[in-house]
Amino acid sequence: QLQLQESGPGLVKPSETLSLTCAVSGGSISSSSSYWGWIRQPPGKGLEWIGTIYYSGSTYYSPSLKSRVTISVDTSKKQFSLKLSSVTAADTAVYYCARHVIAAAGSDAFDVWGQGTMVTVSS
Amino acid sequence: QSALTQPASVSGSPGQSITISCTRTSSDVGSYNLVSWYQQHPGKAPKLMIYEGSKRPSGVSNRFSGSKSGNTASLTISGLQAEDEADYYCCSYAGSSTFVFGGGTKLTVL
Repeated sequence: QLQLQESGPGLVKPSETLSLTCAVSGGSISSSSSYWGWIRQPPGKGLEWIGTIYYSGSTYYSPSLKSRVTISVDTSKKQFSLKLSSVTAADTAVYYCARHVIAAAGSDAFDVWGQGTMVTVSS
Repeated sequence: QSALTQPASVSGSPGQSITISCTRTSSDVGSYNLVSWYQQHPGKAPKLMIYEGSKRPSGVSNRFSGSKSGNTASLTISGLQAEDEADYYCCSYAGSSTFVFGGGTKLTVL
C-alpha cells in the first residue's frame, strides 16, 4: 500500500527557504500516470495547491507561488522535495505531499496523502 | 484561469441528504474538466471521496455521490451520519497546467 511521509524543519525564519521532503514507500514513484504534488493549509483556512512534479522532472506550479517555489524529484531515493524561498509568516501552514493521478486532460485527483507537517515561519 | 466557489457551510440532520456545490467562475476551460472531492476531519489529512466528477474510490461509501451540471459540480451525501461531519473541498484543473481547490465547505450534522 502506497504511503507518503513528509519531513523537514518545523520552524523556519522569515526570509529563509523552507525545505521539505516527501518519502514514497509501498509503490513506485515512476509509474506512468503518477505525478506528485504539494498542497498546504494555513491554520484555520482551506487547501492551496502549491505544485506538481512528474517523475521525469516536469513541473507545474501555482501562479501565485511560482516565483518562489522549486519542486524536484529523486527517483533513486523514491522521494520528492519542496523548496519555498523568501518565506514570511503567511507561509505558515500544514504542508501535505500527495500522489497526483492525472489520467487525461481535465481528469485528475490527489488519491494518497501524507499525514502533513506543520511549518511555522517565525524568528 | 478559473476559481472554484463553495458555500462556507451546510448542515443536515442524521438520515437526511445534503448537497455541496462547487461552481467554476470561469468558462474558458472547457467541458472536460472533472472535479474531485475531498473530506477532511479536524487535524487529519484530506481523503479522496470522488474523482472524475462521479467515481468513488474503493472503500468510499456509496452514500457519497458526485454530479455535474454546466459549470457547477455537486457532492451529495445521503443518509447523513454523525461521522460525515467534516470539511469538504472540491478540486479541478484550472487551465495553463495549474490546479485549484475550492474554498471548502463545513458540514455540520445537527
